[in-house]
Amino acid sequence: DTEVTQTPKHLVMGMTNKKSLKCEQHMGHRAMYWYKQKAKKPPELMFVYSYEKLSINESVPSRFSPECPNSSLLNLHLHALQPEDSALYLCASSPPDTGTGELFFGEGSRLTVL
Amino acid sequence: QKEVEQNSGPLSVPEGAIASLNCTYSDRGSQSFFWYRQYSGKSPELIMSIYSNGDKEDGRFTAQLNKASQYVSLLIRDSQPSDSATYLCAVRPRITGGGNKLTFGTGTQLKVEL
Repeated sequence: DTEVTQTPKHLVMGMTNKKSLKCEQHMGHRAMYWYKQKAKKPPELMFVYSYEKLSINESVPSRFSPECPNSSLLNLHLHALQPEDSALYLCASSPPDTGTGELFFGEGSRLTVL
Repeated sequence: QKEVEQNSGPLSVPEGAIASLNCTYSDRGSQSFFWYRQYSGKSPELIMSIYSNGDKEDGRFTAQLNKASQYVSLLIRDSQPSDSATYLCAVRPRITGGGNKLTFGTGTQLKVEL
């Protein structure tokens, strides 16, 4: 069982809706990530939070807004999305930057934008 | 040249055979290397990590790293139908800038046939 929990597992939304994806980990990890994955493609990094501060934004459109309320929680707020944003959204976490680099993924939230 | 390259497959092997998956990377300073297994519609699962030249064995899996040739491989012994999945090679570049910014290959689809 993954120790990174994502909710909801499935989400269908219209282009005018506002919704949020949530991620929680209790492994004491201090870095958390959002990835986007389209079918038959590798995961694409969107955002990285390190010690609750946004450290990497891979030029993601502003209709995606990340939030890290504390070291265990990560949210992704969605607004005015496009159908091409439909994808599997993966949250991941990693231990403090000791050099190993391992990422642990949650089960993902499958998003469909109508 | 892509940063992390894998043959997309599919790689078909008979049950009980050895499956050999290969990956090359371009950043000579990379220090950490990972293999993730991803079943269709599911999230990536970390199965092996390797940090130094040579072989690392874990059960039926062996990861091999050759930094001089910038090459990492995964061997799966006694392949089972349950091993049928896409295997993603991931590399941690030399400079990550806060958090672990992994670069993923496009994945190799493995099919283990009865």
